[in-house]
Amino acid sequence: QVQLQESGPGLVKPSETLSLTCTVSGASISSSTYYWGWIRQPPGKGHEWIASFYYDGSTYYNPSLKSRLSISADSSKNQFSLRLNSVTAADTAVYHCARERAGTDAYEMWGRGTMVTVSS
Amino acid sequence: SSELTQDPAVSVALGQTVRITCQGDSFRTYYANWYQQKPGQAPILVIHGENNRPSGIPDRFSGSISGNTASLTITGAQAEDEADYFCHSRDINTKDFVFGTGTKVTVL
Repeated sequence: QVQLQESGPGLVKPSETLSLTCTVSGASISSSTYYWGWIRQPPGKGHEWIASFYYDGSTYYNPSLKSRLSISADSSKNQFSLRLNSVTAADTAVYHCARERAGTDAYEMWGRGTMVTVSS
Repeated sequence: SSELTQDPAVSVALGQTVRITCQGDSFRTYYANWYQQKPGQAPILVIHGENNRPSGIPDRFSGSISGNTASLTITGAQAEDEADYFCHSRDINTKDFVFGTGTKVTVL
């Protein structure tokens, strides 16, 4: 059974870097069948797409976050990661990782999410 | 970027039909995906593409598009359908993913 699990600090100070990791079990992030992505939901607001990547190294970023954002993958650990620098309170959100079947534009599998609060 | 607008909340009597709408220019070009999310749980994909249900999703869930409005219909709502529902598509200009504002469905 496929599972995605987010991990990382629950509290980050303003101006510092938010780093999260998604550990995937039951499927390979090196498969050409899927894209892997990050989505967040600020408290009381709708979801926001952050970024996606494909096994061939292609990356796609939300333009509003691109200047502060990077995603990477470690196929040996079957993990992919998110780094968002210069965070502010506006980056406080539940962060989800998710799997998109290539060609469908749909996130067919999500992690439960991890709450990240930006506060001093 | 495109915005996908949903009503914040709707209610439906047990066994009745409810339609959840999502408005945005995206749907003149792209399909809508719909997700169900219960508190503290991962979102679940219930409809994708033209009107496709993933394995395990009951056939009381269906999707449609008319003009700039995508709809998710629950025909014969059950108590377990009480949840937040949100739509997902692509920005018509940038092709970036966009999400709806979400609708809380209460089953009475």
